[in-house]
Amino acid sequence: EIVLTQSPGTLSLSPGERATLSCRASQSVSRNYLAWYQQKPGQAPRLLIYGTSNRATGIPDRFSGSGSGTDFTLTISRLEPEDFAVYYCQQYGSSPYTFGQGTKLEIK
Amino acid sequence: QVQLQESGPGLVKPSETLSLTCTVSGGSISSYYWNWIRQPPGKGLEWIGYIYYSGNTNYNPSLKSRVTISVDTSKNQFSLKLNSVTAADTAVYYCARAPPGGYYYYMDVWGKGTTVTVSS
Repeated sequence: EIVLTQSPGTLSLSPGERATLSCRASQSVSRNYLAWYQQKPGQAPRLLIYGTSNRATGIPDRFSGSGSGTDFTLTISRLEPEDFAVYYCQQYGSSPYTFGQGTKLEIK
Repeated sequence: QVQLQESGPGLVKPSETLSLTCTVSGGSISSYYWNWIRQPPGKGLEWIGYIYYSGNTNYNPSLKSRVTISVDTSKNQFSLKLNSVTAADTAVYYCARAPPGGYYYYMDVWGKGTTVTVSS
C-alpha cells in the first residue's frame, strides 16, 4: 500500500498570498496518477486536480498541480477567501487507492 | 448533472451489519466505477472499494473480509454492506463516482455523505 504524507499539517497564510502544499508518496505513483481534493467543514470533498496537473471541470486556474514519481505539489497562486479549507491528495495508480492525511489551509 | 445521495440507518449496533445505498440521479450508472469512501470524525479519508456497473468489484484489503458492494442498474443504485461493525467504523460514509476507462480511479462526483454511528 502506498502511504501519502502531506506537509505541512497546517498552513497559515493571508488572502492574496501563494500557497504551496506538498504530497510525498512512500513509493513511486504509477503513471503519476495523483489527484487533489478540497474539503470544507461539513461538506464532501471536491475534485480539484487529477493526473497530477489536470484541472477538473470548473476549477479556477489559480489552482495548479505538478510533480512526478514520489513528490507532488498543489499550488494556489493567489489565495481567495473561499480557498481556506483542508486539502487531500490521493493516489490511484495502484490499489488500494490511498489518501494523504490532509493539509489545513487557514487564514493568518 | 449527475447527483449522488446516500441513504441508510444512522445508528448501528456493534457486531451488526451497516447497510447503505447510493442513488444516482441525472445520469446513468453504466460505464462508471462507483465507490464508497469513509471519514471518521476529525480524521482523513479511507477508500473502501468500488463496483463497476457490470458487477466487478475491488475492495480495500483492510476491510475486504467484511465488505460487500453491490449494484442494481435497474434502480440506478449501488449499495454497501459492512458486517461485524465496531466503534471504529463510526464515520461519515460517502459514495462517489470514478470515470470510465478502468484506470482513472479518482472521484469526480461525490454524494453529500451520511453519518453512521456504531453504538449500543
